[in-house]
Amino acid sequence: QQQVKQSPQSLIVQKGGISIINCAYENTAFDYFPWYQQFPGKGPALLIAIRPDVSEKKEGRFTISFNKSAKQFSLHIMDSQPGDSATYFCAAWDSGNTPLVFGKGTRLSVIA
Amino acid sequence: GAGVSQSPSNKVTEKGKDVELRCDPISGHTALYWYRQSLGQGLEFLIYFQGNSAPDKSGLPSDRFSAERTGGSVSTLTIQRTQQEDSAVYLCASSKSWGTSYNEQFFGPGTRLTVL
Repeated sequence: QQQVKQSPQSLIVQKGGISIINCAYENTAFDYFPWYQQFPGKGPALLIAIRPDVSEKKEGRFTISFNKSAKQFSLHIMDSQPGDSATYFCAAWDSGNTPLVFGKGTRLSVIA
Repeated sequence: GAGVSQSPSNKVTEKGKDVELRCDPISGHTALYWYRQSLGQGLEFLIYFQGNSAPDKSGLPSDRFSAERTGGSVSTLTIQRTQQEDSAVYLCASSKSWGTSYNEQFFGPGTRLTVL
């Protein structure tokens, strides 16, 4: 059972454009939603995270939008750069349950 | 400071052989996690340790998989009688602690296991 559904599986964006990755969840017990960035040959690294009591969090060019009623959250990368090309994973955490539940990942390619 | 390290970085083995994968967490981190990353399948949680104790082993794919942690530090994931479907990248992560508040998990670079 996949608890966090992520789309799209892959994404190609022009340099300077906006990259948008979407995730949806079912378990209302989730109370922490991080995004991880993974470059080839490296482990995932925390990029940005949000709790369900806020609707948006922005850090530099990266923004998480959170819709609690729809049980959806998304990552927006503004002014996308070739250096942003990586695989992005959304995840969810439930303080009373298992460690992070990950989406299947989105492979982002930013082309010049 | 030093991050999470894993060894070996790559392992090629023959079907039926046993393999051991090692994880050195960040010094002082009491919680340690193992994940498996298969192509297009995201990260699959396997097991976690709080100190040397693994409270829940239900995430291990089969009884061929086992893990231990000694001295609250190094952890070893052992796969016995490897099968081709075990081929994947095995990731280790550590965090300061485990509890009701999220503690950031720091990931190692992974061990790529190929079973021929």
